[in-house]
Amino acid sequence: GQNIDQPTEMTATEGAIVQINCTYQTSGFNGLFWYQQHAGEAPTFLSYNVLDGLEEKGRFSSFLSRSKGYSYLLLKELQMKDSASYLCAVKDSNYQLIWGAGTKLIIKP
Amino acid sequence: GAVVSQHPSWVICKSGTSVKIECRSLDFQATTMFWYRQFPKQSLMLMATSNEGSKATYEQGVEKDKFLINHASLTLSTLTVTSAHPEDSSFYICSARDPGASGNQPQHFGDGTRLSIL
Repeated sequence: GQNIDQPTEMTATEGAIVQINCTYQTSGFNGLFWYQQHAGEAPTFLSYNVLDGLEEKGRFSSFLSRSKGYSYLLLKELQMKDSASYLCAVKDSNYQLIWGAGTKLIIKP
Repeated sequence: GAVVSQHPSWVICKSGTSVKIECRSLDFQATTMFWYRQFPKQSLMLMATSNEGSKATYEQGVEKDKFLINHASLTLSTLTVTSAHPEDSSFYICSARDPGASGNQPQHFGDGTRLSIL
């Protein structure tokens, strides 16, 4: 079956750096996405990786290793507003998005 | 950028009521729309894929007679929860695929509908 694993919850301090990991086992691979979801709101797109390596976008970076079935989302200079759930999703061979359960990130002052 | 509008954002109603949720693509034609359900502290669960002009494709375990989907135009899909019961209370989110978009952003999400059945 298809499976995406990410930690349930993480805690970090304002101004610090946090890395959220995601491992996946899917039938085919056509890209990996990270979304941010604040409580009670719909997900918003953060990043996309289809080739191995690091994609940097401001304070957020995302890394992919296809051979390891692994990705991480790196958040720098954490702000209180970064408190949210972060969802990892993989587009499989049918171009369907398979969603992880999300990682709830708690930022403390 | 592409915008998806979902309405209503919040519904509270009595058990047995049918509730219709609308999902509109505002500046692009969406041949495919997706309906998700999300229970508290859980992941997005795909309920069905809505294809313009044809029947929706439901995921395993989703009752098609209970969750009626209509995608009659390229900009509108509706989800009707028929005879809703308290266990149907959830956060329902739609998304649409813009055929013209690049592969790095396959779906645009609506703001979601919080459904509470008393």
